[in-house]
Parts: sequence; structure tokens; C-alpha cells
Amino acid sequence: DAKTTQPNSMESNEEEPVHLPCNHSTISGTDYIHWYRQLPSQGPEYVIHGLTSNVNNRMASLAIAEDRKSSTLILHRATLRDAAVYYCILRRSSGNTPLVFGKGTRLSVIA
Amino acid sequence: DADVTQTPRNRITKTGKRIMLECSQTKGHDRMYWYRQDPGLGLRLIYYSFDVKDINKGEISDGYSVSRQAQAKFSLSLESAIPNQTALYFCATSDKGGQGTLTGELFFGEGSRLTVL
Repeated sequence: DAKTTQPNSMESNEEEPVHLPCNHSTISGTDYIHWYRQLPSQGPEYVIHGLTSNVNNRMASLAIAEDRKSSTLILHRATLRDAAVYYCILRRSSGNTPLVFGKGTRLSVIA
Repeated sequence: DADVTQTPRNRITKTGKRIMLECSQTKGHDRMYWYRQDPGLGLRLIYYSFDVKDINKGEISDGYSVSRQAQAKFSLSLESAIPNQTALYFCATSDKGGQGTLTGELFFGEGSRLTVL
């Protein structure tokens, strides 16, 4: 299965944009890129997903490189409530394999 | 009420005891999962089930068993608990994804914290 690589931790100042990178150099053409985040003392929650085109929703934006070997989750204005562990995961379009989480990136937001 | 409910939320037990963690969901999803989380290790998949008659091992199934009693219920058992099974356990559900509004998004419960002494 294709793997993802993320930095262990990142810091951001409150109200500034945050760009969380993810490398997935062995991604296949049918793999979706999913992002989840886990707030302290909670289960993970879905953030966004995409295949080839950039995606926006109320929580974040997802920028996908043209060769799809990397992607970036963008939080446009970080708040203290965005402090969490962010997971980048690949999902086969066939849906026949479960999502496997890595260690993710721990985002700290400084007031 | 939560869409994915786990019981118990916290449990302390002794080595060698049998423990069952239960999960129920009201999402109507066919797919259910059990993950384990240890500090600094992210989430690791223990078992998953794509429908009532389907059970599959995940990354770390040794020492665990599961039962899919119904579409809405998926339980995780530790037949003889040991201290290194002390962890936070999460149940999750999803649709199959890949078609129209089906995204395969995972919905997680609030977790069951298990301590084995």
C-alpha cells in the first residue's frame, strides 16, 4: 500500500495561515488523498479529501501537486481550536482496503 | 445522541481477565473498524468488517478477537488481557465510498480507555 510522510510537528501563530505538507510519492492513479484531524481527548474527524483537483470546504483547503506525489492541507486562519494531530491518508478508489493511519503531524497554535 | 457509541468509556482490569469493548452505530453504515492508539504511535488498525458476514485482521490483531453481531454492532474482545494492551481504543464506521455521495469518510466514537494492571 502507498505510504504517506508527514512532519512530526509544526507550530503556527494564531490567525495566520498554516500549510501542512504530506508526501505520497508512491500514490497510484486511483488513490484518494484524505485528511483527518484529532483534537485532544477526541476521536479523529474527517477534514477533507481529493483526487486530482484542489478542494475547498468550510474547514480547510487541499492543494494537490500536479504529479500527485504531494499535497498540502491549508488552514487559512489558525485558531487555538485547530491545535490537533493531522493525518494524511491514501484511500483506494475501490474502497476495498481500510484506511491506515500514520503518526500524523502535531500542530501547535500559539496565541 | 452520538452516531457511534462505545462502551465502556473507561475500564481498569487485571492481567488475565477477559474484556469486551462494545461499539454501536446509528449511521446505517455497513463498514466498522477497531483502532488502537498509543502515545506517539498514531492509530493502528486491529480488525475491520465490511459487512455483517465479513471479518478481517488489521495491522495488530494478535491478542484480540471481534464479533459483528449485527450491522450496527461490532465488539472487540481481549480474551486474556495483558499490560501492553493498555491503550485508547476507537471504533469507527464508514460507507463504502467511491460513488456519488459515498465518500468512505470514517466516523469515530469517543474512545474507550483500557488500563490493564
